[in-house]
Amino acid sequence: GENVEQHPSTLSVQEGDSAVIKCTYSDSASNYFPWYKQELGKRPQLIIDIRSNVGEKKDQRIAVTLNKTAKHFSLHITETQPEDSAVYFCAASKRNSGSARQLTFGSGTQLTVLP
Amino acid sequence: SAVISQKPSRDICQRGTSLTIQCQVDSQVTMMFWYRQQPGQSLTLIATANQGSEATYESGFVIDKFPISRPNLTFSTLTVSNLSPEDSSIYLCSVGLASYEQYFGPGTRLTVT
Repeated sequence: GENVEQHPSTLSVQEGDSAVIKCTYSDSASNYFPWYKQELGKRPQLIIDIRSNVGEKKDQRIAVTLNKTAKHFSLHITETQPEDSAVYFCAASKRNSGSARQLTFGSGTQLTVLP
Repeated sequence: SAVISQKPSRDICQRGTSLTIQCQVDSQVTMMFWYRQQPGQSLTLIATANQGSEATYESGFVIDKFPISRPNLTFSTLTVSNLSPEDSSIYLCSVGLASYEQYFGPGTRLTVT
């Protein structure tokens, strides 16, 4: 099955600096890669996603890049703010045998933005 | 997106009992999923709940322990049976949209004593 590895497990940055979180996946059939932000005690919240036919996608201060050949994708947050502090999860998705699109999650990155 | 609710939001249960968690969506969706998130950990898929057919379980999860119902396109239940302290976790439902996106419910925090 799919295996998603995520690094680093913890990341501290100064407010205003950039943060980068990296993930690798194993199954070349995966073709959709979302990122979720989970604040303490809250549900995972979809913040950005990318499909395998695209190399990069941006939404204001966040961007995701995908390298299909190397099977890795990254989340970039620029001009970080204290409210960006949370756990971030990457995931890889493909259709299973029953045609459901299921997600395999990485282990998560605790991002702390220091004021 | 979709508006997803779960009941209960939290519960404390005795060992050996069962807890049924409900997931309600504000629109019809084909795919619903159930995940477990143990304290400080990532999300693990338990099963895919298909309307009108048996749920599809992931490796390590069995129907006797985690029976699932999906009576219509807006509702699903997950039962966690014969509870043990190791079942203490957050259980989340999610819905899959045709656009590939998945959105999560608020979760149910289960504590087994």
